[in-house]
Amino acid sequence: QQPVQSPQAVILREGEDAVINCSSSKALYSVHWYRQKHGEAPVFLMILLKGGEQKGHEKISASFNKKKQQSSLYLTASQLSYSGTYFCGTGDPRSNTGNQFYFGTGTSLTVIP
Amino acid sequence: KAGVTQTPRYLIKTRGQQVTLSCSPISGHRSVSWYQQTPGQGLQFLFEYFSETQRNKGNFPGRFSGRQFSNSRSEMNVSTLELGDSALYLCASSWGLAADNEQFFGPGTRLTVL
Repeated sequence: QQPVQSPQAVILREGEDAVINCSSSKALYSVHWYRQKHGEAPVFLMILLKGGEQKGHEKISASFNKKKQQSSLYLTASQLSYSGTYFCGTGDPRSNTGNQFYFGTGTSLTVIP
Repeated sequence: KAGVTQTPRYLIKTRGQQVTLSCSPISGHRSVSWYQQTPGQGLQFLFEYFSETQRNKGNFPGRFSGRQFSNSRSEMNVSTLELGDSALYLCASSWGLAADNEQFFGPGTRLTVL
């Protein structure tokens, strides 16, 4: 039930765009995106809720396709600081039997000058 | 305001021992989640505590347990350590349930089991 991300790794030049995809085998209640730099803890980027609300703190956009159980993260005009591993995450607090918060398989993104 | 803190930052234990890790969330946050991170398995959810109650639990054996105190601080305990328990253990706090809110991660505790 762990979301699958694609691509697994990508190398960009500064200024290029990238798209990272996250696919789940079950219906998504919400999708989170985090970035983790080497040796550091994950940092929140964005959350997309099933009702359409989005909460984010950076100039990064994302989409949430409930029908396809997919989300995509769009990184435009990439900067060196965008390098890191990106994780999508999903959980559903409504389950009466308890539910896990699943992080995706991760996408390593490297931006080079 | 102060971020999420975890203690200790590094631990070395031997097989069969037990260990307790501590997490202090951001002030006002009521949810604390714990994750295990390894190169092979990625970020794996252990459990989530909200207002002193275990709300969710991941697919880990009963050797992994936790609790949350009235001040929202949380501890995680691993008994009868195995070599495979070597990992970075991260805790994250959020104002509400993790599924609905951004999570703020602590720096992690690096556990090495010899």
